[in-house]
Amino acid sequence: AIQLTQSPSSLSASVGDRVSITCRASQGISSALAWYQQKPGKAPKLLIYDASSLESGVPSRFSGSGSGTDFTLTISSLQPEDFASYYCQQFHSYPLTFGGGTKVDIK
Amino acid sequence: QVRLQQWGAGLLKPSETLSLTCGVYGGSFSAYSWTWIRQPPGKGLEWIGDINHSGSTNCNPSLKSRITMSLDTSKYQFSLKVTSVTAADAAVYYCARGRTGEYWGQGTLVTVS
Repeated sequence: AIQLTQSPSSLSASVGDRVSITCRASQGISSALAWYQQKPGKAPKLLIYDASSLESGVPSRFSGSGSGTDFTLTISSLQPEDFASYYCQQFHSYPLTFGGGTKVDIK
Repeated sequence: QVRLQQWGAGLLKPSETLSLTCGVYGGSFSAYSWTWIRQPPGKGLEWIGDINHSGSTNCNPSLKSRITMSLDTSKYQFSLKVTSVTAADAAVYYCARGRTGEYWGQGTLVTVS
């Protein structure tokens, strides 16, 4: 199975900060990567698919980049509603796998 | 507007069978695969498996011997069964549309005790 390693596992940031989260795959997955946001007690919400495509309705401050084994989710200017956990997921090959998650909290 | 609504028993005893169903409201049913994901309390997401419109399934090898997925296209529903549950199966279980989860159910907390 393809392993996804997210870093950092947690970070503290302030409103307005630029935040980046990385996801590294154990083998090449082309651009078959998605990013999700999850708030406590809620289902995950799709933010980015195909590594860099913004899901409809998601604010443009979210962006994704990368291909192959290294990927990044960037929030250009952190907003209060962005404090949450973020997960990457590969859909290149079965079994599909998730990264361990990154919790973004308020500094 | 697409909505997924899931239901099933939330409290099980060890060795019992977990059974969940997800209903799809709005959108096409046959054009997508349908996915199950779980999340143990305080932990990350784990992909369980998916099923496509023809009933072909893909499963997490760690669960493959215990899980059954099925779908009822006439009712726009798909289902998950996990046999012989243990405390390790306690989690919030989610259904979702597609491999990239563009729509999710509300989640069902399954407790094993």
